[in-house]
Amino acid sequence: AQRVTQPEKLLSVFKGAPVELKCNYSYSGSPELFWYVQYSRQRLQLLLRHISRESIKGFTADLNKGETSFHLKKPFAQEEDSAMYYCATRGGNEKLTFGTGTRLTIIP
Amino acid sequence: DGGITQSPKYLFRKEGQNVTLSCEQNLNHDAMYWYRQDPGQGLRLIYYSQIVNDFQKGDIAEGYSVSREKKESFPLTVTSAQKNPTAFYLCASNPGGAGTDTQYFGPGTRLTVL
Repeated sequence: AQRVTQPEKLLSVFKGAPVELKCNYSYSGSPELFWYVQYSRQRLQLLLRHISRESIKGFTADLNKGETSFHLKKPFAQEEDSAMYYCATRGGNEKLTFGTGTRLTIIP
Repeated sequence: DGGITQSPKYLFRKEGQNVTLSCEQNLNHDAMYWYRQDPGQGLRLIYYSQIVNDFQKGDIAEGYSVSREKKESFPLTVTSAQKNPTAFYLCASNPGGAGTDTQYFGPGTRLTVL
């Protein structure tokens, strides 16, 4: 069964400091991994997906199969990055499995 | 801001009553999903439907029921059998099949049992 672990429920970072939100997964096949974000009073939305190898709003995430990790990183945090972040994985049955989420707070 | 709509935004229910949450999408998506969002527990899948007139149980289906009579609609009924129904409920959809990449979420319904 797929499983996603986000070990930090809360994370506070000063503005301008680097950010890393941790995500580990367990899946026997070749997983697809995603980061979703929910800003205050907005809908949950896709931030980025590993298959695209993209950078969105300065965030990147690299799939590390050896460590089964997909950590989300940004070199310089901005106040507008404060939000709830969910890591998710999708297996062969096309269902998404979400982690428990990390609430990121950027301190001005 | 069309796409996926959920109604109502807030819903109050007395214990022992069934209640139905609405989810409609105009994206022509085949697949639709219901999640429950609780603090510290993330999103948990209740039911999902990959095509009209078909649906499957998710991880926490007990005490819930759904129907998928139309492509654009996927209502969720919270029955009196659901032991802890107070939560935030999110509906989502995606194109299905090869286009299943991104899920699009509705604004959510907050259900409170009094």
